[in-house]
Amino acid sequence: EVQMVESGGGLVQPGGSLRLSCAASGFTFRSYWMHWVRQAPGKGLVWVSRLNRDGSSTNYADSVKGRFTISRDNANNMLYLQMNSLRAEDTAMYYCARNRLLSGDDNSGYRDFDLWGRGTLVTVSS
Amino acid sequence: DIVMTQSPDSLAVSLGERATINCKSTQSVLYSSNDKNYLAWYQQKPGQPPNLLIYWASTRESGVPDRFSGSGSGTDFTLTISSLQAEDVAIYYCQQYYSTPFTFGQGTRLEIK
Repeated sequence: EVQMVESGGGLVQPGGSLRLSCAASGFTFRSYWMHWVRQAPGKGLVWVSRLNRDGSSTNYADSVKGRFTISRDNANNMLYLQMNSLRAEDTAMYYCARNRLLSGDDNSGYRDFDLWGRGTLVTVSS
Repeated sequence: DIVMTQSPDSLAVSLGERATINCKSTQSVLYSSNDKNYLAWYQQKPGQPPNLLIYWASTRESGVPDRFSGSGSGTDFTLTISSLQAEDVAIYYCQQYYSTPFTFGQGTRLEIK
């Protein structure tokens, strides 16, 4: 089955750190650009970060730049989000999302998100 | 950053009737080299992750019922549900993937009248 499962969320104090994981299965993970998207309780979707296929190119939303780091382990089909210096406003459900792959040689990170995990909840509170 | 604005914020439509959601971007998301609009529509039901409905502004994702359609170009886009079904109750988001940061509209809540 093609799926992605996030884990690693939980309650953390302001200023603390957390590492989220996204386990991919059922598809050739190393062929896809990947994203993290978050959604604060009762709010809309906000793109957080993007990573290319071999992990050499990253992009971040201004709100997390310098605090969050996206990475991947293609050997184990895993995507990560290291979150440091957490703030109350980082409280959200965090989703990993797959960037559409048009063909085998398509290496564009500018595609829609065609597969989403169910998310992991991060709560930043004292 | 490209700002995406949806209208209306909420919508109540009778079963079997047409529902129309609009999305406007602050700059064009039409890429001239391939003539494609970098615009997607997602559906999110309560307690679930978003689900892709439409990409390239008008291409229906595999498995999406044909009552869902997308149209528009440049900066103005529309998602239409031709005959509303009970299972279509959800929040709908447009998204541009033309440039980073990728941005979403604020969402439109669709309910049954």
